[in-house]
Amino acid sequence: QKEVEQNSGPLSVPEGAIASLNCTYSDRVSQSFFWYRQYSGKSPELIMSIYSNGDKEDGRFTAQLNKASQYVSLLIRDSQPSDSATYLCAVNAHSGNTPLVFGKGTRLSVIA
Amino acid sequence: DTAVSQTPKYLVTQMGNDKSIKCEQNLGHDTMYWYKQDSKKFLKIMFSYNNKELIINETVPNRFSPKSPDKAHLNLHINSLELGDSAVYFCASSQVLRTAGAFFGQGTRLTVV
Repeated sequence: QKEVEQNSGPLSVPEGAIASLNCTYSDRVSQSFFWYRQYSGKSPELIMSIYSNGDKEDGRFTAQLNKASQYVSLLIRDSQPSDSATYLCAVNAHSGNTPLVFGKGTRLSVIA
Repeated sequence: DTAVSQTPKYLVTQMGNDKSIKCEQNLGHDTMYWYKQDSKKFLKIMFSYNNKELIINETVPNRFSPKSPDKAHLNLHINSLELGDSAVYFCASSQVLRTAGAFFGQGTRLTVV
């Protein structure tokens, strides 16, 4: 069974710090990896995608992928209170029409 | 210019009723999905549709049935509603590409009383 594991948190960081969110997945043939942000009462919003080993940066966000360790992470630099949300890791196994499998999410709280 | 829209946003109904949730996407995507998010915020896939064909049907009760009149629409019909069906239901769409992420509608909060 394909699984995506995340620490549920809450992860509390002070404003301006780096928030580090982690995710592991069980299916070795996984191809595409995504991070979604979900504010309370809202829908998941795609914020990052990564497909190759290494780092991918977009503004204050950096996604990191290590396929050998089946590990993907999201770093948020200069964390802001507006970053407080639940962050969902999602994995796409084979092809684009395979549904994303989601982790249960990590709740991040940025303290001003 | 909403990308994925679903209606209604809130739905309160009694046990045993039949209800539908509608979803439309204007992104030109090939695949649409229904996800269920329970009280613990876990997002679980229910159905996928690609080019009007059901391609994956997870183990959900057959009281749930997806209907796709065309590539841009995927509706969810639920018969004989039960208390345990209370959740937030999200419609999503994506391109049929390895690199495609899914884009979500605003969700329908279903409460069965």
